[in-house]
Amino acid sequence: KAGVTQTPRYLIKTRGQQVTLSCSPISGHRSVSWYQQTPGQGLQFLFEYFSETQRNKGNFPGRFSGRQFSNSRSEMNVSTLELGDSALYLCASSPMGAWTEAFFGQGTRLTVV
Amino acid sequence: TQLLEQSPQFLSIQEGENLTVYCNSSSVFSSLQWYRQEPGEGPVLLVTVVTGGEVKKLKRLTFQFGDARKDSSLHITAAQPGDTGLYLCAGVRLSGSARQLTFGSGTQLTVLP
Repeated sequence: KAGVTQTPRYLIKTRGQQVTLSCSPISGHRSVSWYQQTPGQGLQFLFEYFSETQRNKGNFPGRFSGRQFSNSRSEMNVSTLELGDSALYLCASSPMGAWTEAFFGQGTRLTVV
Repeated sequence: TQLLEQSPQFLSIQEGENLTVYCNSSSVFSSLQWYRQEPGEGPVLLVTVVTGGEVKKLKRLTFQFGDARKDSSLHITAAQPGDTGLYLCAGVRLSGSARQLTFGSGTQLTVLP
């Protein structure tokens, strides 16, 4: 059974640009959660999607958005990038929700210059 | 302010030593998960504890959930270099109608051969 796949693995963007990250969950999993990981703040919850609906949202500005498609694949978008957005972005899939068990992808390392 | 505080933040020990990592909060969690993350990878779930006072053992790892479900500990016996990694606790709490996974600040463990 294939694991969670995140693309791209690495990304370098310039301040002010926008970026889209992709996550393919484990087959059959309907919940996809996104997290931002930085050395200073640790792992912080961005949002969760379940059956194409945003079910939960963390305390991030509106520049961070996401969506989920009918095949459960998910994308997150960050507009007007800031230097502080540099981080490892992790996606986790689970059958019903991350509170049961979350399977993480390898993450996308975003660097904003 | 971190909802979940982990201590110590960094730990470097010799192979064969024992260690304990603590995860503390002023909030009550419905359950608590422990993850290990290695460089370049996403976190991998080790265990979920649900009941106050619960103790779970996974080979040389012992996990305990506090009676009040506000704290947890991870004890490793006879640590090995393969135990090296970032250990994260994550508490599950209700957020409106949804459940949210909140991660601790992490403990970076290095086991020297």
